[in-house]
Amino acid sequence: GAVVSQHPSRVICKSGTSVKIECRSLDFQATTMFWYRQFPKQSLMLMATSNEGSKATYEQGVEKDKFLINHASLTLSTLTVTSAHPEDSSFYICSASPDLNYGYTFGSGTRLTVV
Amino acid sequence: RKEVEQDPGPFNVPEGATVAFNCTYSNSASQSFFWYRQDCRKEPKLLMSVYSSGNEDGRFTAQLNRASQYISLLIRDSKLSDSATYLCVVNIGNQGGKLIFGQGTELSVKP
Repeated sequence: GAVVSQHPSRVICKSGTSVKIECRSLDFQATTMFWYRQFPKQSLMLMATSNEGSKATYEQGVEKDKFLINHASLTLSTLTVTSAHPEDSSFYICSASPDLNYGYTFGSGTRLTVV
Repeated sequence: RKEVEQDPGPFNVPEGATVAFNCTYSNSASQSFFWYRQDCRKEPKLLMSVYSSGNEDGRFTAQLNRASQYISLLIRDSKLSDSATYLCVVNIGNQGGKLIFGQGTELSVKP
């Protein structure tokens, strides 16, 4: 149980375009999902906490107008990277958990390359 | 000071060796603790949760010392397939359950 599906796994886009990444909890409901970013040779950095039915909570230094999060249902959160630039190229991963004391499950990640 | 700090690594060990990873955390409000494993260019996968009493899962043993705010992972009889990056992860319980990751320790097990 506790499966999280993330799509797409890889995307290459032109500078200035927007990219949407989807994160779905397949066998549980997730009122909260988390979005992380990981640059090469670095650890995962939390970008924002996605809350179903309300606004996302962004970590310090993360631009909420650039990284739009929508959590419209209990099983789906989306992250949209708007007006992407090469420095936004990274590995984006979502996670969720059916129970806060349970180990979190991660999506398979999205490798974004902006050219 | 980073919220979660790990041995920098990399650790290069022969098959069959015992290897230990250490981790310290700074937030005393931390409520739950985990070790994750991340293979190159993949998502992290839960290796084991860490409990105050210590816990073991096959060749893996995790320990937690709340007083010292210290977590450890011991891998016995290491296999080639254990090569990965090991992430120490802390759940800051009073912040909506968000996870804080250590920078990870790379392990390479050689034949």
